[in-house]
Amino acid sequence: GQNIDQPTEMTATEGAIVQINCTYQTSGFNGLFWYQQHAGEAPTFLSYNVLDGLEEKGRFSSFLSRSKGYSYLLLKELQMKDSASYLCAVRDGNYQLIWGAGTKLIIKP
Amino acid sequence: TAGITQAPTSQILAAGRSMTLRCTQDMRHNAMYWYRQDLGLGLRLIHYSNTAGTTGKGEVPDGYSVSRANTDDFPLTLASAVPSQTSVYFCASSEIAANTDTQYFGPGTRLTVL
Repeated sequence: GQNIDQPTEMTATEGAIVQINCTYQTSGFNGLFWYQQHAGEAPTFLSYNVLDGLEEKGRFSSFLSRSKGYSYLLLKELQMKDSASYLCAVRDGNYQLIWGAGTKLIIKP
Repeated sequence: TAGITQAPTSQILAAGRSMTLRCTQDMRHNAMYWYRQDLGLGLRLIHYSNTAGTTGKGEVPDGYSVSRANTDDFPLTLASAVPSQTSVYFCASSEIAANTDTQYFGPGTRLTVL
């Protein structure tokens, strides 16, 4: 079967750096997405990786290793507003999105 | 632009009743999706439509139906609601392309079936 694994919850300190990992096992691979979802709100797009390597976008970076079935989202200079759930999703060989359950990130002052 | 709108924002529904959740997008995206999100689980696809006039079943289609009469609207109908359909429902849309196909989400409908 197809599977996306992420930690359920992480805690970090304001101003620090945090890395949220995502491992996947899917039938085929056509890209990996990271979304941010604040409590009670809709998911919003953060990043997309289809080739191996690091994609940097401001304070957020996303890394992909297709051979390892692994990605991470790196958040730098954490702010209180970064408290949210972070969803990893993989587009499989049939171009269907498979979603992880999300990682709830708690930022402490 | 409004992007994607959903209605209602929330609803309490008696078991056995029917209900239609509305979704409208103004981005002229060809593809639209309905997901449900339950605590501890990832988003699960209910139904999707790659273009007006066509629909497909997702991971959890039972008890739900959809239609896609035009590009902008993609209503989701529960014919006879059951308590297990209590969830938050998100509509999304995307422009299907070779290397992007990013999905954009509406604000969600919180449905409680009693």
